[in-house]
Amino acid sequence: GAGVSQTPSNKVTEKGKYVELRCDPISGHTALYWYRQSLGQGPEFLIYFQGTGAADDSGLPNDRFFAVRPEGSVSTLKIQRTERGDSAVYLCASSLSSSGANVLTFGAGSRLTVL
Amino acid sequence: AQSVTQPDIHITVSEGASLELRCNYSYGATPYLFWYVQSPGQGLQLLLKYFSGDTLVQGIKGFEAEFKRSQSSFNLRKPSVHWSDAAEYFCAVGAQGYSTLTFGKGTMLLVSP
Repeated sequence: GAGVSQTPSNKVTEKGKYVELRCDPISGHTALYWYRQSLGQGPEFLIYFQGTGAADDSGLPNDRFFAVRPEGSVSTLKIQRTERGDSAVYLCASSLSSSGANVLTFGAGSRLTVL
Repeated sequence: AQSVTQPDIHITVSEGASLELRCNYSYGATPYLFWYVQSPGQGLQLLLKYFSGDTLVQGIKGFEAEFKRSQSSFNLRKPSVHWSDAAEYFCAVGAQGYSTLTFGKGTMLLVSP
């Protein structure tokens, strides 16, 4: 597609529920990133994929968070047993490569609210 | 590990006045530096980037930034601010061998009439 698409744009859930957030990157971009942006903060890195594999998941806060990219395109961020502290905007980005000197293109984000 | 400091949480500028947003980074080698802008409800849009070469880089919407290695800074400037520039601005640092970016906490720009 023309840009990075994220769905849903808004998700309200109850504490303890399971949530999936989807990211559809720019066609041809091999690298895909997930960031989390809490209120008043800058984006914080969660995980990035090069192709189908998670190349770096050091930013995932705990084992309730998991992400997949089974065919090297669309990615899903999965959050189990949601907590109120998980409320944030989850941003997805993609880039042509993961060399460091690359430009990340971001989606509009998925705003998650845990009640 | 890299880190980024944006010392100003909020800045208010009159329309037509000049703007400078500060960014300081911490990284031992030559960094890759970025400025992104985020309007309410929108994703991050790249304004400009520095990888190497000329330390004064031009971006979109009339913005420019200057890399100063001696000061570990990458300040964003615009000679004349427009009301549509009101948004949140994020500085980010990357590096060779690192595939991810580290962001600052952002500076919210308010434009007064």
